[in-house]
Amino acid sequence: RKEVEQDPGPFNVPEGATVAFNCTYSNSASQSFFWYRQDCRKEPKLLMSVYSSGNEDGRFTAQLNRASQYISLLIRDSKLSDSATYLCVVGSGGYQKVTFGTGTKLQVIP
Amino acid sequence: DTAVSQTPKYLVTQMGNDKSIKCEQNLGHDTMYWYKQDSKKFLKIMFSYNNKELIINETVPNRFSPKSPDKAHLNLHINSLELGDSAVYFCASSQDLKSGQWYNEQFFGPGTRLTVL
Repeated sequence: RKEVEQDPGPFNVPEGATVAFNCTYSNSASQSFFWYRQDCRKEPKLLMSVYSSGNEDGRFTAQLNRASQYISLLIRDSKLSDSATYLCVVGSGGYQKVTFGTGTKLQVIP
Repeated sequence: DTAVSQTPKYLVTQMGNDKSIKCEQNLGHDTMYWYKQDSKKFLKIMFSYNNKELIINETVPNRFSPKSPDKAHLNLHINSLELGDSAVYFCASSQDLKSGQWYNEQFFGPGTRLTVL
């Protein structure tokens, strides 16, 4: 089993739709969780950290379920500019060592 | 102002050559990383340095040798390049941890697209 698994997609959604991505991780001792965003041919950038209690940043909501070992990202009112690959990132061993998932591609359609 | 910069942006070279990629960060961070992103877009850690000291060294062929002359620079030298080395190489940096922290946000450079012919 991969350390961090994501559905690669692509998810094709119309503007204004709500879309959710899940990510599962294998190491129950994982301590930190993030969502990064990577635009085509660009570098990854932090979208948001994921806290145990769940957290929201505008149209984006992240949740953590430790019992089932998954994290989720919900995007409401999708915009064309949300089209990107969303990378699930888990920290579970070593000094600041994180593991990236393979990413879920989102395409928002006009 | 560029936070994490890499040179060159593109590198096309023949099999068997030796090449270097340079990375610099002006964020004052203590930890720097090299990642490889292959054609399937999988981003995998190769090395990380904290204050010029190697702390993560994943299973990477010893043809790859990182060098950190100071904490703002982390270079990657690759000997005897192979076709399978073709990928995008990203440098990243992050702040040192404070008490109670486990991980910090990583800031990535724009990547170096390496093509081995």
